[in-house]
Amino acid sequence: DAGVTQSPTHLIKTRGQQVTLRCSPKSGHDTVSWYQQALGQGPQFIFQYYEEEERQRGNFPDRFSGHQFPNYSSELNVNALLLGDSALYLCASSLWSNEQFFGPGTRLTVL
Amino acid sequence: EDQVTQSPEALRLQEGESSSLNCSYTVSGLRGLFWYRQDPGKGPEFLFTLYSAGEEKEKERLKATLTKKESFLHITAPKPEDSATYLCAVRRSYNTDKLIFGTGTRLQVFP
Repeated sequence: DAGVTQSPTHLIKTRGQQVTLRCSPKSGHDTVSWYQQALGQGPQFIFQYYEEEERQRGNFPDRFSGHQFPNYSSELNVNALLLGDSALYLCASSLWSNEQFFGPGTRLTVL
Repeated sequence: EDQVTQSPEALRLQEGESSSLNCSYTVSGLRGLFWYRQDPGKGPEFLFTLYSAGEEKEKERLKATLTKKESFLHITAPKPEDSATYLCAVRRSYNTDKLIFGTGTRLQVFP
C-alpha cells in the first residue's frame, strides 16, 4: 500500500518565480492538507482540501493557492516567490477528520 | 490563543537511559493530541493519537500519556535508532482539522 507521495523532492527557484508542488494521498484517503516547515520549526498549516474545495485556510497570503483533483491528488501553487518561502513543504492525507499521514516533503529553496 | 510548547528542545541520552519528553498545550476544546517522529529532511511519521485525559498508548519503547494540560512521551531503554525529532500537535474542537504543532524535541541516543 503506497503511502503519501510528493513531487518533486527538491526544487530551486529564484525570487518572483512561481512554483507548483504535487501530492498523491494514501490509498483510501479523501482529504489533503498542506503544511510549511521552516528549519528548526514545527509544520505550519497552509490549507486543507476536501471534495475538491478548500475547506480551511491558515494564515498564509493569497500567493499560496491550491487545487484538489477528482482522484483526490492535490497541488500547491506559490506565486511571486520570496526568500522567506524557502522551507520543507509537507502534504498530509487523511480520511475525513481522522489521523493525518505525511508525505516525505518537497524542499523548496528560493534564491 | 492555541499554543503548544515542547520541552526540552534537545535531549541527549545514553543507550538504555530512559527519559520523558513533555508537550504542554493551551487549546479550546481539545479534539486530539498527536505525536509524530521526524527524521532529518523527511516528513513526520505518525505515532499516537490521544483524545482524553488519562488515556495511554504504547508502541515498542514509546508510551504516550495525556492530562488536561500536557502530554508526555516516555522512552524506555532507548536505542540509537530512536534518535529523531519528536513533534507534538493538537487539534481544536469541531469545525477544524488544522494541526497546531510544537517546535519539537530533538532526541539523540548514543551507544
